[in-house]
Order: sequence, then structure tokens, then C-alpha cells
Amino acid sequence: DIQMTQSPSSLSASVGDRVTITCRASQSISSYLNWYQQKPGKAPKLLIYDASSLQSGVPSRFSGSGSGTDFTLTISSLQPEDFAAYYCQQSYSWTFGQGTKLEIK
Amino acid sequence: QVQLVQSGAEVKKPGASVKVSCKASGYTFTGYYMHWVRQAPGQGLEWMGRINPNSGGTNYAQKFQGRVTMTRDTSINTAYMELSRLRSDDTAVYYCARDPLVGTTLFDYWGQGTLVTVSS
Repeated sequence: DIQMTQSPSSLSASVGDRVTITCRASQSISSYLNWYQQKPGKAPKLLIYDASSLQSGVPSRFSGSGSGTDFTLTISSLQPEDFAAYYCQQSYSWTFGQGTKLEIK
Repeated sequence: QVQLVQSGAEVKKPGASVKVSCKASGYTFTGYYMHWVRQAPGQGLEWMGRINPNSGGTNYAQKFQGRVTMTRDTSINTAYMELSRLRSDDTAVYYCARDPLVGTTLFDYWGQGTLVTVSS
């Protein structure tokens, strides 16, 4: 099975900060990597697919990069509505990373 | 507009089974896989399996093999996930999510979630 490891598990930041979350796969997954945002009590929301493609309707402050085993999600300037949990997912066998909780500093 | 509407919360005793439904509307049901993902309280997302509504073919996570059954009824655009021999650690919110049959794998629409509580 392909294991996905995110870091950090939690992160405190302020509005306006630039934030980067990383995701590492246990084997190469090419660019088959998606990112989701989840707010408390809500279903996850797709942000990025194929490592770097922005889902329709998602603000451009979100970006993704990487290929092979190492990937990043970057939020260029944090907004109040961005404080949430973020999950990466490999799309070979659909497993998720353990999540990163982004909290207000 | 695309909608995935799931059935309501369930309370079950250990050893019982639960069947959760996911009714799709606003798109061609047979054009998208339906995946099931669960989330235990305070925990992350766990992929359980998927069904191809066109063929009925399924793929299950190894962890759930032998306990989970995914089915669909194309006449009413509904997918089902049945989990048997429930344990207390099956207490979770269960989500359905669609994924195109062709092209990039992505979960672009999700159901609202169904809370399943397993308690004696």
C-alpha cells in the first residue's frame, strides 16, 4: 500500500502569512496527488488535483507543486476562512495523508 | 446542480450491520465512480472503497475486505455502502464522493456525511 505522510500535523499562523504544507508518498506517484480542505462538521472540499491544477472556484492564493514522492500545498496569503484541516490524497489507490490542522495564531 | 444526499444518522449495536445510501442528482450517475470515505471522531479521512455504477464492479480497501459491500441501483441513481459485524471503532461519519470514470481521479462532490454510532 502507498503511505502518505503530511507535515506538520498542526500549524499556527496569522492572517496574511504564507503557509506551506508538505506531503510525502512512500513510493513514486507521478503527479497523482490531490489536496482537500475540510472545515469542522463539513465534508472535504477539493482544492488541487494532479498536484498543481486548481479546482474551479478555488481562490488563486492556493497552489500545489511536486511530483514523484514530494508535494507541497501553499497558501500565499492566509485569509480567515482558510483556517481548517488539509489532506493530501494519492489517486493510485486513493489513500489520504493524516491531515494538517491549520489554526489561528 | 450536482448533489449527493445521504441517509440519516444510525445507531447500531456491536455485531450488527448498517447500510448507508447516497442519492445522486444533477449529473449522469453512471459516468462517475462512487467512493466511500469515513472519518472517526477527531481523526483523519479513511478511504473504504469504490463502485463503478455502470458495471457494478467494486474495489475495497484491504482493511474492510469481507465486511463491506457496495452496491448501486441505477434506476434511482443511488449508491449504497453496507458494513457488517460492526465494532465500536466503526463509529464515524461516512461520506460518499463521486470521481469521473474517465480521466483524472478526483473527488469533486461529496455527500453531507452520515454519522454511524456503534454502541451497546
